[in-house]
Amino acid sequence: DGGITQSPKYLFRKEGQNVTLSCEQNLNHDAMYWYRQDPGQGLRLIYYSQIVNDFQKGDIAEGYSVSREKKESFPLTVTSAQKNPTAFYLCASNDRAFSGANVLTFGAGSRLTVL
Amino acid sequence: RKEVEQDPGPFNVPEGATVAFNCTYSNSASQSFFWYRQDCRKEPKLLMSVYSSGNEDGRFTAQLNRASQYISLLIRDSKLSDSATYLCVVNIRYNAGNMLTFGGGTRLMVKP
Repeated sequence: DGGITQSPKYLFRKEGQNVTLSCEQNLNHDAMYWYRQDPGQGLRLIYYSQIVNDFQKGDIAEGYSVSREKKESFPLTVTSAQKNPTAFYLCASNDRAFSGANVLTFGAGSRLTVL
Repeated sequence: RKEVEQDPGPFNVPEGATVAFNCTYSNSASQSFFWYRQDCRKEPKLLMSVYSSGNEDGRFTAQLNRASQYISLLIRDSKLSDSATYLCVVNIRYNAGNMLTFGGGTRLMVKP
C-alpha cells in the first residue's frame, strides 16, 4: 500500500543534541512537507520541498534543517538551536506543492520529547 | 489576528445530536477549503473538501460563505466514533504561490 512512513514514532533527546526524523513516501509525490503540532494547536509549517534538491523555509524554520536528495525521502533534523523542540512532528506529501486540487497525505507522526 | 480561526471547544454532545462548527479565514484570496479529522495522538486525515455550492457526505455537510469568509461543518446524528478534533484548512494564494494554513482545531466529544 502506498503511504508515508515516519520514524521513529517516539524519540527522547537530551538538551543540546541534534536528532533526525525520517520521512519516506512511496506515493510518487513531488512535494513534501514538515509540520509541527503543539498541544491544542494547529499545524505550523517548518519546511517544504517541491522537487528533489530544492526546499524552502516555512513559518518556523529556525532551529531545523532538511534535505531532499531523493524524491522519496525528506528527513528533518532538529538541531540544538531549536529552543523548544518538544512537539509532535508530521510529515506530509502531495502531487504538487500547495496545489488547491491536491490534498495532503500525512505520515503517522513522530513525537519528540526533550528531557 | 490568526489567518484561520476555530473555536477550540470542546463541544460535548450526546449521541444522536446535531453539531456544527465554524471556521473563519481572514484572507479573501483563499481558494480552496478542507476539513480534516484528527484523532488523539494520530495524524490528520481528510474528511471532506468544501465546495462553493456546499457538499454533503452522509451525515456530514460542509458549506462555504465567501462573503462572510467562513466555512462550516455540520454533523448529524452524532456517533461516539465522531469524537475527534476537526481541523479547518484553507489554501491561500500569496505572491510566491499557494500556502495551506491550518486552524487550531475544534474538539468534539460525543457522549453516550
